Amino acid sequence: QQPVQSPQAVILREGEDAVINCSSSKALYSVHWYRQKHGEAPVFLMILLKGGEQKGHEKISASFNEKKQQSSLYLTASQLSYSGTYFCGTVPGRRVGDMRFGAGTRLTVKP
Amino acid sequence: DGGITQSPKYLFRKEGQNVTLSCEQNLNHDAMYWYRQDPGQGLRLIYYSQIVNDFQKGDIAEGYSVSREKKESFPLTVTSAQKNPTAFYLCASSKDRNQPQHFGDGTRLSIL
Repeated sequence: QQPVQSPQAVILREGEDAVINCSSSKALYSVHWYRQKHGEAPVFLMILLKGGEQKGHEKISASFNEKKQQSSLYLTASQLSYSGTYFCGTVPGRRVGDMRFGAGTRLTVKP
Repeated sequence: DGGITQSPKYLFRKEGQNVTLSCEQNLNHDAMYWYRQDPGQGLRLIYYSQIVNDFQKGDIAEGYSVSREKKESFPLTVTSAQKNPTAFYLCASSKDRNQPQHFGDGTRLSIL
């Protein structure tokens, strides 16, 4: 099943913060976060693993509540370059093909 | 630099025609994936492959076929049975389910 993302869209001014949520109806092994600019390929942001380990490389943070099967992506002091569509991918099973992406959250950062 | 190469960037299909989208990776990843993205939509899994000579259907496999004869290559054929093929197709690869997926630049397929 596809995870549910909220909000569907958000508009910010530079320097403002945003939170994007992702929830699943299944128990999760991990949650992935990606950002996609218009017409381009998605780019990896972060993976959150069951048990608390987190892998990422940008100035963006995230949380993973295993009990609630939810993850949240925190964008602080947003920059114009943060604009794009953010997708979460949830991994409920052990097979590589088990990941499913949410419908995306479109983030627009204005000057 | 390692990465994933998809070709062509744009592809047009005539009625009743099969077309093949190429995907090559030099990241030494075992797993490869094909996704379809429609305007304003998320990514839907078409097929995936965990190892050479093995692949599995995703959520929307009807009208598509794949092969995995080499670790580096995972071509996708859009057959004439796929009645609504117009979409953005993305190929990805990863080491395993808990490692990042690396995406190619995509192929945009349209009907003539």
